Amino acid sequence: EDQVTQSPEALRLQEGESSSLNCSYTVSGLRGLFWYRQDPGKGPEFLFTLYSAGEEKEKERLKATLTKKESFLHITAPKPEDSATYLCAVSDDMRFGAGTRLTVKP
Amino acid sequence: EADIYQTPRYLVIGTGKKITLECSQTMGHDKMYWYQQDPGMELHLIHYSYGVNSTEKGDLSSESTVSRIRTEHFPLTLESARPSHTSQYLCASSAPRALNNEQFFGPGTRLTVL
Repeated sequence: EDQVTQSPEALRLQEGESSSLNCSYTVSGLRGLFWYRQDPGKGPEFLFTLYSAGEEKEKERLKATLTKKESFLHITAPKPEDSATYLCAVSDDMRFGAGTRLTVKP
Repeated sequence: EADIYQTPRYLVIGTGKKITLECSQTMGHDKMYWYQQDPGMELHLIHYSYGVNSTEKGDLSSESTVSRIRTEHFPLTLESARPSHTSQYLCASSAPRALNNEQFFGPGTRLTVL
């Protein structure tokens, strides 16, 4: 059975303090790893799709990377508006992890 | 901005009532999904559809049912609501051969069953 584990569950950063979020997965055949951002009371918003080990994608202060067993979401010099829950999901059936709740303090 | 809508946004209802949560998208997407999400927990897929007259159950067992009579519309029905159905329900859609294969989510319906 596909499994997705995200760590840490919660992360508090000071503005400008870079860090990384982890998504570990076990799937029979990866057909895509997805990162989403979810703000309180809203539906998830798409960030990235990664398809193969070694692939990287960037958007503003976010950079996603993928290996055969895990993906990282690197946040460089975060701002308070980056505060949200970050979700990862695998494969076409979109099995989601529980997310990492990120809080960035000014 | 994604054009996917859910109504109602909030619903408080008594045990035993029949309810239908509405989901519509104007993007012409073939694939549509329903997820259930409890506060601070992961999304669980409860139903999905690959097109008109196609519906499948997801990983999480659910007492709800869905229908897909039109491409743009994917309603979810609970015949007899119970307190255990209290949760947030999220609808999503995706295009089958999009570059990123991403899902577009609606704003969700927060259901409370008393």
